[in-house]
Amino acid sequence: DAKTTQPPSMDCAEGRAANLPCNHSTISGNEYVYWYRQIHSQGPQYIIHGLKNNETNEMASLIITEDRKSSTLILPHATLRDTAVYYCIVRVVWSTDKLIFGTGTRLQVFP
Amino acid sequence: GAVVSQHPSRVICKSGTSVKIECRSLDFQATTMFWYRQFPKQSLMLMATSNEGSKATYEQGVEKDKFLINHASLTLSTLTVTSAHPEDSSFYICSAREGGGGEQYFGPGTRLTVT
Repeated sequence: DAKTTQPPSMDCAEGRAANLPCNHSTISGNEYVYWYRQIHSQGPQYIIHGLKNNETNEMASLIITEDRKSSTLILPHATLRDTAVYYCIVRVVWSTDKLIFGTGTRLQVFP
Repeated sequence: GAVVSQHPSRVICKSGTSVKIECRSLDFQATTMFWYRQFPKQSLMLMATSNEGSKATYEQGVEKDKFLINHASLTLSTLTVTSAHPEDSSFYICSAREGGGGEQYFGPGTRLTVT
């Protein structure tokens, strides 16, 4: 079973920041938080991951709470091409853990 | 990032026939590959995990005799859907992981339609 919970859907206006929350209250000390997204009829695309510090790359920022029980993926300036299902997953890096996908959040960016 | 390809991207076959889907890691060696299935408006469901040179490990409820997985090299895994039926119509996605539990990269998926 997935170890994360996410809202089923969210809307965001183009050009605005999209903030996607994820709860992972049972996360273990050695588990990282990963975010993937899946655009319609494509394979999942890696976005970002982190352990406890906030992370930023060219796609997004990841904010992890101090107690690590939740996180937020931030797309700073959403575009129509960011419309996708976003999955938050926890896993131990450099392990044989399988990636188990939950139901994700369907983000709709509108003009 | 690393690239994983799948072939074909789309296939239509008749009920009762078998179809093979290939998954290749193009620029890295994948000791472990995974096969997922996704029905419309649903999440990805892991079907099986394959390690190069050994038998695949199937998730509960997945018929190993129906979904044959071969991982004969560090860059290629194949999924064969045997005696396909319309209910096997789905989006099949593979992913590949670098050795030692590194990052996992996904293929673009294969749309299978069984008529």
